[in-house]
Amino acid sequence: GQNIDQPTEMTATEGAIVQINCTYQTSGFNGLFWYQQHAGEAPTFLSYNVLDGLEEKGRFSSFLSRSKGYSYLLLKELQMKDSASYLCAALNGDYKLSFGAGTTVTVRA
Amino acid sequence: DGGITQSPKYLFRKEGQNVTLSCEQNLNHDAMYWYRQDPGQGLRLIYYSQIVNDFQKGDIAEGYSVSREKKESFPLTVTSAQKNPTAFYLCASSMGQGYEKLFFGSGTQLSVL
Repeated sequence: GQNIDQPTEMTATEGAIVQINCTYQTSGFNGLFWYQQHAGEAPTFLSYNVLDGLEEKGRFSSFLSRSKGYSYLLLKELQMKDSASYLCAALNGDYKLSFGAGTTVTVRA
Repeated sequence: DGGITQSPKYLFRKEGQNVTLSCEQNLNHDAMYWYRQDPGQGLRLIYYSQIVNDFQKGDIAEGYSVSREKKESFPLTVTSAQKNPTAFYLCASSMGQGYEKLFFGSGTQLSVL
């Protein structure tokens, strides 16, 4: 089966940087997604990586290493509104999407 | 505005009762999905549909049923056979079959009375 691991919780201070790691084991690989979900709301798309390297999109960046089965989401200049759960999801060779349990990020003033 | 709408926001089920969760999208997406979200677990796929009048079981289809009579609509019925239905249910859609990024509805919290 597919296995997606990410930390359960992280806490950081407003204005700081936080890095959320995700490791995955899949049969084949067609990409890695990150979604943001505020409590009781819909997850929203943040990023998609299929090639190795870093993709930057404003304050958020996502990195992928296919050989290591590893990705991270980097949140810079943290704001209170960034307090949310961040979901890592890997797409396997059959285009089946598997989600991690999510990392709850709490931003403190 | 285009989007995906789920209703109701909160739903309560009595023992032995079937309940239906609504999901409507006006994004003209071909593919639609139902996920279940439980605390401490990743989203798990219940059913998905890639085209009208066709749908496939996901990883945890037992105790659930769906229909896809219209492109815009993909209702989920939680039957009495589902013994642990309390969860947050998310509907999603995407443009095609390649699992492009998903657009999610705002979810339905189902609880058992």
